[in-house]
Amino acid sequence: DSGVTQTPKHLITATGQRVTLRCSPRSGDLSVYWYQQSLDQGLQFLIQYYNGEERAKGNILERFSAQQFPDLHSELNLSSLELGDSALYFCASSVGYSVSQGVYNEQFFGPGTRLTVL
Amino acid sequence: AQSVSQHNHHVILSEAASLELGCNYSYGGTVNLFWYVQYPGQHLQLLLKYFSGDPLVKGIKGFEAEFIKSKFSFNLRKPSVQWSDTAEYFCAGGADYKLSFGAGTTVTVRA
Repeated sequence: DSGVTQTPKHLITATGQRVTLRCSPRSGDLSVYWYQQSLDQGLQFLIQYYNGEERAKGNILERFSAQQFPDLHSELNLSSLELGDSALYFCASSVGYSVSQGVYNEQFFGPGTRLTVL
Repeated sequence: AQSVSQHNHHVILSEAASLELGCNYSYGGTVNLFWYVQYPGQHLQLLLKYFSGDPLVKGIKGFEAEFIKSKFSFNLRKPSVQWSDTAEYFCAGGADYKLSFGAGTTVTVRA
């Protein structure tokens, strides 16, 4: 158990809908990262928040957005869902915000949310 | 742009065989390198990490990796695999805010 929690574990929805995935980081971690894992794209970094502010953006679609709240939990919002959005969405957390901080940037992964869009 | 590449897509071994998975990264400067493992149906778990110092890094479950700066490589090794090592292995590296993952190598160990 990494200490990172994600809810829900599974989510099944229809095209065009909007869903919210939730992540609670490990106690003491200030950074939250979101990743998408699909069979054709592999593990793709989406976005990072540090202490409530966006720090880095990866391959995140405009239909997707995220935020980190004062209690440091984060939510990933996916809207106008398409079949191709079906994937495993992982959240990770770390103490620091930059690889240059070394050990403080070690990322711990949550169990993921499996999203199925029908 | 920084990237990480893994040489093998799928490796099939027998128990007790030795394993080596290749990983190369494409950027210079300060780099942090990781190997993660994902067992079937589970989340990513950290096997080992390299930040600085001794280039031979020992991780959990008998895995080790060697950082060779001149070759931009960080290959993962295990001298004798077990059936329970069947999993997907990801190399990851970062020199900035973002951690880049390789495409992953599926390792199947046959009993």
